[in-house]
Amino acid sequence: DTEVTQTPKHLVMGMTNKKSLKCEQHMGHRAMYWYKQKAKKPPELMFVYSYEKLSINESVPSRFSPECPNSSLLNLHLHALQPEDSALYLCASSLFKGGGYEQYFGPGTRLTVT
Amino acid sequence: GQNIDQPTEMTATEGAIVQINCTYQTSGFNGLFWYQQHAGEAPTFLSYNVLDGLEEKGRFSSFLSRSKGYSYLLLKELQMKDSASYLCAVRAGANNLFFGTGTRLTVIP
Repeated sequence: DTEVTQTPKHLVMGMTNKKSLKCEQHMGHRAMYWYKQKAKKPPELMFVYSYEKLSINESVPSRFSPECPNSSLLNLHLHALQPEDSALYLCASSLFKGGGYEQYFGPGTRLTVT
Repeated sequence: GQNIDQPTEMTATEGAIVQINCTYQTSGFNGLFWYQQHAGEAPTFLSYNVLDGLEEKGRFSSFLSRSKGYSYLLLKELQMKDSASYLCAVRAGANNLFFGTGTRLTVIP
């Protein structure tokens, strides 16, 4: 199983809503990532978890709150988002953080903030 | 900071060979990845280079010159399904992976 799954596939939310994005992998990977990708732009790293501990936060606004309940799951909690936060949110995992370990990406959640 | 440059768009003919270049300036270089991304889909891993030289994997090859801050992805025997964006990504230090803007390749009959 070399799959990273994400739910939901699409999400529309208002600026006052609270929602969560979910990511799951069962490859035994110990590093998990959240990326944000705007149309026709490359993915931008938001958060990195290594062994369920947050190791990198790329200065992301506090309206995005990550959580790693266990080694297979990664959540991204959303609150009071802005329309400019509309984007494709990609989850990825790799066996370990760093080195030549390739990242496997999930299909993404397309988020629209109205 | 990181500076990764790729051509924005390229067009090539089915059955031909195409080379997609990537130049980078980064501190703490620790490897370079190439990913393929079809429109509306997630990136998929193609190759990894950390030492100078050519890595071949079927129809796809990737080359790295660390002294020149240069890499290329070579695609042979192009197929229509190879139409996609190709992302060059540089690992800096132990952790971060920085993506270039991607090259949108269109394969024509």
